[in-house]
Order: sequence, then structure tokens, then C-alpha cells
Amino acid sequence: GDSVTQMEGPVTLSEEAFLTINCTYTATGYPSLFWYVQYPGEGLQLLLKATKADDKGSNKGFEATYRKETTSFHLEKGSVQVSDSAVYFCALSGNSGYALNFGKGTSLLVTP
Amino acid sequence: DSGVTQTPKHLITATGQRVTLRCSPRSGDLSVYWYQQSLDQGLQFLIQYYNGEERAKGNILERFSAQQFPDLHSELNLSSLELGDSALYFCASSPGTGRRQYGYTFGSGTRLTVV
Repeated sequence: GDSVTQMEGPVTLSEEAFLTINCTYTATGYPSLFWYVQYPGEGLQLLLKATKADDKGSNKGFEATYRKETTSFHLEKGSVQVSDSAVYFCALSGNSGYALNFGKGTSLLVTP
Repeated sequence: DSGVTQTPKHLITATGQRVTLRCSPRSGDLSVYWYQQSLDQGLQFLIQYYNGEERAKGNILERFSAQQFPDLHSELNLSSLELGDSALYFCASSPGTGRRQYGYTFGSGTRLTVV
């Protein structure tokens, strides 16, 4: 079945550092891919999405490109801020059902 | 405020009891999804309703059930509660259903503690 694998956290970075959170997926056909962010004590918020190969999703300085050849959707940001500290979830919507499949999440801590 | 309302925010109950979690979807959304979030299992999809009808089932235990009412709000019923049912329960909504999802809107969750 469909699945998503994210790099394990926690990831700790200094402010203004470059961020990459790896995400790879297994799915048949052409799934849609998403990144969600969860701030402490809150629900998940959609950060960005891509619905077909080579699409680039972007929002708030974050970017991710849908790479079908490597089945990946890595999240990147050029300069992180303390306010980016949160848990980041990669997710896909594939052919095996209507619900989103989520990765286990990657915790990011940005220090001043 | 995401537009998805979940009540209550916190719930503490004893083993063997039954609880009901409530969710009001964002205005205009017809689909409601329930997820369970725990430290060891991550985010697990439980069940989806679309316009009052069950549309998809995930890893939902037989002790759990849900329904969506004509006004589109949904309730998740958890019975014969066990310590392992302690988790965050999220509701999410989306405009429709189908393979090409455009992302869900999540509520802030109900934290259930079973003692």
C-alpha cells in the first residue's frame, strides 16, 4: 500500500541555517504530495502541496519539488527562523484510498 | 482559527467508559476525516464521511464508531476505553472527496486521557 517515510528527528538548527527534511514515498500511479506543519498545542496546517511530477510547492519561504524519478518530496528553506520550530509532516494522497497517508513527522528546533 | 471546530479540547475519563468527540467542519466542506495521533503510532487515519455517508475506513477499532449528521457535523464515539486509547484525536475537513485531494483543514484536536 501507499506509504511515506520521513527522516527521523529531532533536527536542531541555528537561526538562518539551511533546512532540508527528507521525504520519500511509495505509491502506485501519480499521488498528490503535501507538507503539513504542527505548532505546539495546535492542529496540522497545510504548508504546501504538489499534484503532479516536477511541480514545485512553495509557501512562507519553504519549497518542495515532486520528483517522480526518485519518489521524493524533500522540504527545504534557505534561512530558518526561531518561529519555524514545529513538527513537519509529509503526506500523500494516492490510489489506495481517499484519505491522506502521513509520515511520522520530523521535529524541528531552531535556536537563536 | 482554521474553521474546523472540535469539542471538547481535553477529556479525562476512566477505563471502560464511553466518550463522544464532536467536530464541526469548515463552512462548505462536505467531507470529514478522523485521525488519531499518538507518540508511537503517529497519525493514523480512522474514518471518513462525505455528505452523511461513510466513505472510507482506516485503522478504526470495532469499539469506535462515527457518524455525520445532516448539518454535516460529525461525532466520534469511543467505547470500552483502554489506557492505550489515550491520544490526540483530530478532525479534518475538505470540500469534496476523490483521489486528487487539495489538502485538509484540521481542527485543533481533542486530547483524550484514559486513567
